[in-house]
Amino acid sequence: SAVISQKPSRDICQRGTSLTIQCQVDSQVTMMFWYRQQPGQSLTLIATANQGSEATYESGFVIDKFPISRPNLTFSTLTVSNMSPEDSSIYLCSVEGLRQGFSLEAFFGQGTRLTVV
Amino acid sequence: GENVEQHPSTLSVQEGDSAVIKCTYSDSASNYFPWYKQELGKGPQLIIDIRSNVGEKKDQRIAVTLNKTAKHFSLHITETQPEDSAVYFCAASGGGYQKVTFGTGTKLQVIP
Repeated sequence: SAVISQKPSRDICQRGTSLTIQCQVDSQVTMMFWYRQQPGQSLTLIATANQGSEATYESGFVIDKFPISRPNLTFSTLTVSNMSPEDSSIYLCSVEGLRQGFSLEAFFGQGTRLTVV
Repeated sequence: GENVEQHPSTLSVQEGDSAVIKCTYSDSASNYFPWYKQELGKGPQLIIDIRSNVGEKKDQRIAVTLNKTAKHFSLHITETQPEDSAVYFCAASGGGYQKVTFGTGTKLQVIP
């Protein structure tokens, strides 16, 4: 299993500013995923972060708006840039880890609840 | 890409009754179907999953069925309890280190 810590757990930010969310995993993982969950909605993948290479962004998400860093195999950051109220969401970090030693499972952090005012 | 639809969006049951949530997927290459439970203020947590080489899987009060031909899978919760109240998400993936596509979620309320 994998234990994921996300910081901050919540924040209220002014529009036009940027917020960097940190994701720390207790074990080395190949791929880390960043999701957005808008209020009352499902999870939408923003990007996949690999260590040592550029993040891969899903349709509708761009690096200028959501820059990602992946400096090592246990840590990643997601920045929400030039925020607007539409960016108010829960942002979730996810990794894949082995469950019971052989089965891959997606583990999630507790999320960062962002409110932009 | 993969598209996962989930029904119903809300479900209320009396304690002790059963709850069924249904999902369909579009990509025939998907072979891994996890179900997640998300409680208020928390990240999703895996509760059960099924792979395409299996038609049914059960874990205590929770069971999942898969019909690959029809591209649908379902979650069954028996003898529901108030602590089962949460939002449930189905998902589909090609397995391994591949993108997981989530359904739209079902808010389950178990009435004591």
